[in-house]
Amino acid sequence: TQLLEQSPQFLSIQEGENLTVYCNSSSVFSSLQWYRQEPGEGPVLLVTVVTGGEVKKLKRLTFQFGDARKDSSLHITAAQPGDTGLYLCAGSAGGGADGLTFGKGTHLIIQP
Amino acid sequence: NAGVTQTPKFQVLKTGQSMTLQCAQDMNHEYMSWYRQDPGMGLRLIHYSVGAGITDQGEVPNGYNVSRSTTEDFPLRLLSAAPSQTSVYFCASSRFPGQGAYEQFFGPGTRLTVL
Repeated sequence: TQLLEQSPQFLSIQEGENLTVYCNSSSVFSSLQWYRQEPGEGPVLLVTVVTGGEVKKLKRLTFQFGDARKDSSLHITAAQPGDTGLYLCAGSAGGGADGLTFGKGTHLIIQP
Repeated sequence: NAGVTQTPKFQVLKTGQSMTLQCAQDMNHEYMSWYRQDPGMGLRLIHYSVGAGITDQGEVPNGYNVSRSTTEDFPLRLLSAAPSQTSVYFCASSRFPGQGAYEQFFGPGTRLTVL
């Protein structure tokens, strides 16, 4: 069974600060995805990383896939209250046709 | 384009009752799946389907049935509800972008309580 460990579990910071959350596994994944979920809604896909060492940027969010394809990080620059939410990483061993493995998530609160 | 719709949004059942959670998508995706989300457990795959007439079990299939008679619909049936099935259920419709992994589009969820 492939497991994804996310850290920290909870993070509360002030608006304008930078932060990094992590997604780690002992297993190799063919790709990793990051989703963001707001209360009462379903997760929304932010990014997919597929190549070891790959870095993708989405405005103030930077996603990195580890060289060994076992871990990923999400860095937010100058966090804003609108970034508040549950951030989930999800991995697939072979495209995800048999479903994704999700981490338990990082609950992020950005205080104004 | 409504995306993925789920009904009902909230449901309370008594132990032993049965019900069907509805899921529909209008994106013409072949791949659909059901997840449950529990505090401290993350999202766990219940069942999935790679096309009409084809279904398979995920990580936690016990107590649930699915069928896929059309591309659009993927209902989840609880045969005899148990308190352990109290959860938030998400249906997802997915497309493969050509590389990487299936991109999942989730519905708004059904919050189920079993007393």
